[in-house]
Amino acid sequence: DADVTQTPRNRITKTGKRIMLECSQTKGHDRMYWYRQDPGLGLRLIYYSFDVKDINKGEISDGYSVSRQAQAKFSLSLESAIPNQTALYFCATSDLSKADTQYFGPGTRLTVL
Amino acid sequence: GENVEQHPSTLSVQEGDSAVIKCTYSDSASNYFPWYKQELGKGPQLIIDIRSNVGEKKDQRIAVTLNKTAKHFSLHITETQPEDSAVYFCAATLYSSASKIIFGSGTRLSIRP
Repeated sequence: DADVTQTPRNRITKTGKRIMLECSQTKGHDRMYWYRQDPGLGLRLIYYSFDVKDINKGEISDGYSVSRQAQAKFSLSLESAIPNQTALYFCATSDLSKADTQYFGPGTRLTVL
Repeated sequence: GENVEQHPSTLSVQEGDSAVIKCTYSDSASNYFPWYKQELGKGPQLIIDIRSNVGEKKDQRIAVTLNKTAKHFSLHITETQPEDSAVYFCAATLYSSASKIIFGSGTRLSIRP
């Protein structure tokens, strides 16, 4: 969905490096999410934010941190990347007043060597 | 918390035949059940959803059924076409201001010509 953009789309990095994935949205939604997708494991929630001053841990937050810089921007950081963080990462937004449907970005493929 | 199980993990059907994907959920309080389709290289997109006060919902060739007593819901695709090939995710949530959506592990559907 072009309304939700993620940068970079692909990233290869080395163990121990700090990585930041960025997400921007033009949908005007208050809610933003970061998910991780691994083969056979579906989409697992890392962090979510229901508004600019609200940050919550998801089911797999260890090793990750987030920052909600503005309503439209939500970034995910890996402070010291490790190989088992190699995965596809998705940002999503939603609006509770619109059935809370999640709108996903195109994803960032991260490889940690 | 909520847990969603999805079966099968892979499904191959002949073009024109029907496909059925099944999910079960654990939290009887869940009342909103969306289905997402993920095409290659893209983020998931909502294709249909159902609320707990409805037993069945149809949208052209796709339909979803919900059995609250058994806590399971299914996606039915009739007259399958090549463009139906994708990964499908079911999800469940309690539609409220503090809810998070829990996704199933996904089903990779392939349509044979």
